[in-house]
Amino acid sequence: QSALTQPASVSGSPGQSITISCTGTSSDVGSYNLVSWYQQHPGKAPKLMIYEGSKRPSGVSNRFSGSKSGNTASLTISGLQAEDEADYYCCSYAGSSVFGGGTKLTVL
Amino acid sequence: EVQLVESGGGLVQPGGSLRLSCAASGFTVSSNYMSWVRQAPGKGLEWVSVIYSGGSTYYADSVKGRFTISRDNSKNTLYLQMNSLRAEDTAVYYCARDYGYKYDYWGQGTLVTVSS
Repeated sequence: QSALTQPASVSGSPGQSITISCTGTSSDVGSYNLVSWYQQHPGKAPKLMIYEGSKRPSGVSNRFSGSKSGNTASLTISGLQAEDEADYYCCSYAGSSVFGGGTKLTVL
Repeated sequence: EVQLVESGGGLVQPGGSLRLSCAASGFTVSSNYMSWVRQAPGKGLEWVSVIYSGGSTYYADSVKGRFTISRDNSKNTLYLQMNSLRAEDTAVYYCARDYGYKYDYWGQGTLVTVSS
């Protein structure tokens, strides 16, 4: 399986909203509503932010939301805060798990 | 409180072997799907292997035939036996609970460096 496609970087100012896309195929993202998103700060383990496309685990801010259209999933972060600056990875089930290449979010 | 603690990483020569451990607390390893995910320096996440609660195991093509995932129920610990190591296996290895097609708990990771 090929890695899912994410933009290498996105940026936004505090208070703004940004969206990170995650493009797969009809065999992974398009076939299953099983996309999850992970936040990773430098030197730290990934943290689950969104699962099953749009669900938030307990304790994750409602500023984080997920959606899907066709073969592309998206993570939107509203009301950007400095602590949101991190790498973000999408992941889809496709028989086994396949991750995106990651997106570096810079808060200007 | 759920906790996963990896150990066993280090420097190993190409062709060598290493066994990683992941000690779990707060839940039962044998009742859950457990995975290993790795991250090469400066790179993204890569799924490596999973063991199901029933004992079935699956591997990424890149490690199939060289790595073996297992668990010790009495120690509530997950393992990854890595043989015939290559430079491209150099990475931080994370264990994670694979709960309903999401990785909800992760360890802190252990670094494996394959170099002569």
